[in-house]
Order: sequence, then structure tokens, then C-alpha cells
Amino acid sequence: DTGVSQDPRHKITKRGQNVTFRCDPISEHNRLYWYRQTLGQGPEFLTYFQNEAQLEKSRLLSDRFSAERPKGSFSTLEIQRTEQGDSAMYLCASSLILGTGQFFGPGTRLTVL
Amino acid sequence: ELKVEQNPLFLSMQEGKNYTIYCNYSTTSDRLYWYRQDPGKSLESLFVLLSNGAVKQEGRLMASLDTKARLSTLHITAAVHDLSATYFCAVDMVSNYQLIWGAGTKLIIKP
Repeated sequence: DTGVSQDPRHKITKRGQNVTFRCDPISEHNRLYWYRQTLGQGPEFLTYFQNEAQLEKSRLLSDRFSAERPKGSFSTLEIQRTEQGDSAMYLCASSLILGTGQFFGPGTRLTVL
Repeated sequence: ELKVEQNPLFLSMQEGKNYTIYCNYSTTSDRLYWYRQDPGKSLESLFVLLSNGAVKQEGRLMASLDTKARLSTLHITAAVHDLSATYFCAVDMVSNYQLIWGAGTKLIIKP
């Protein structure tokens, strides 16, 4: 399978715990995006990488969220001290160049109890 | 600030009927995307529209882009139940790398 993959697919955690998600983009794609989506809403942009450089981060993103893409391949998204409001689907997407469209992974569904 | 508006937000229709979903955006962009999302699933790319007048068709779905009117349409011909899903349009920000998303149109097609 050469699509975007994400791990885990589901995560249940208690409030205050830290969680980390992984995204493996399509191998030749140098752009990687993280989104958050809640029920009935469109995706909300979180952050964007070109190769290993994080070029854009949403102003809405609190300091509890951090993302890395250390070697320009896979990426991780960490949420520290989770809150119930963090419960959502976290989507990763990748693209080759601007204008070719973003391809999405299956998402990680986070539930914070 | 770029805003993307879809209408309708909810559409229930009978199989065999035709209908159109509209996507309006508020500022200049030459790139518009349509995605499909099934309940609990991720987003599937349907169409990439990159220029004024672009028209793309796949099966019973046809998408078009009018950059002067800042309007894209997704037309459904002779709808079938399998097309039931939520459809999102998204527009590229020219100045950065974000996609700005519409709220989605939930489409239910009844047999």
C-alpha cells in the first residue's frame, strides 16, 4: 500500500496524559500536513511541513501541540496534557507540489476521557 | 481572510435525480479541490481544478470552476445510493500552503 498511513487508528486516553501520533506520507511527497476534524465540521489546519522544515503552524494551536518531521519522511504529532476538547479525528495528508491536491491518511481518532 | 461557503449543507434526494452543490469562495484562488468523506472515514480526493473554466467528470459526478465568479459546482447526475456521503470543497491560499475548507454538504440519496 503506497498511500498515507497513520498510527494508531484509535487512541483513548485520560485527561492530562500525553499522546503521540505518527504519519507516514506517500514516499515521494515532500509536503506533509496535519489537520484536526470534529464531528460535522470540515478539517481544521494544524501545521505544515516541507521536507523537514515546519513552515506554518495554526495560530489556534496551543503550546501543548508539537509536531516534528525529523528526516523529511514520517511525522509525529504530540499532544501534551490532553484535555477533553482535544477529542477529535487527527488527519495527516501529503502532497507533491502545490496544486496537485493533498492525499489523506485514514486518521487517528482520539478520545480523551 | 479567505472564506469558503458551501450550499446546501444538507441534501436529501431520490435516486435517479440530478442536483448541484455550490462552493463559493471570497478571494482570489486558482485552485479548488473536491473531496468525499464517508461516515467515520478519512477524505478521498475527487477532483482537482486548477484553472478558470476547468471541468472534470468521473462517473456521475462533474465538477467545474469559474474563478471570475469565485464559484465551483459539483453536479450529480442520476444519483445512486452509493454516492451518499459528505462532500467538501477546499481552496488553496495563494499566500501560503493552507487549504481553506467549506463546511461540507451531507448528501443522502434514498433508494
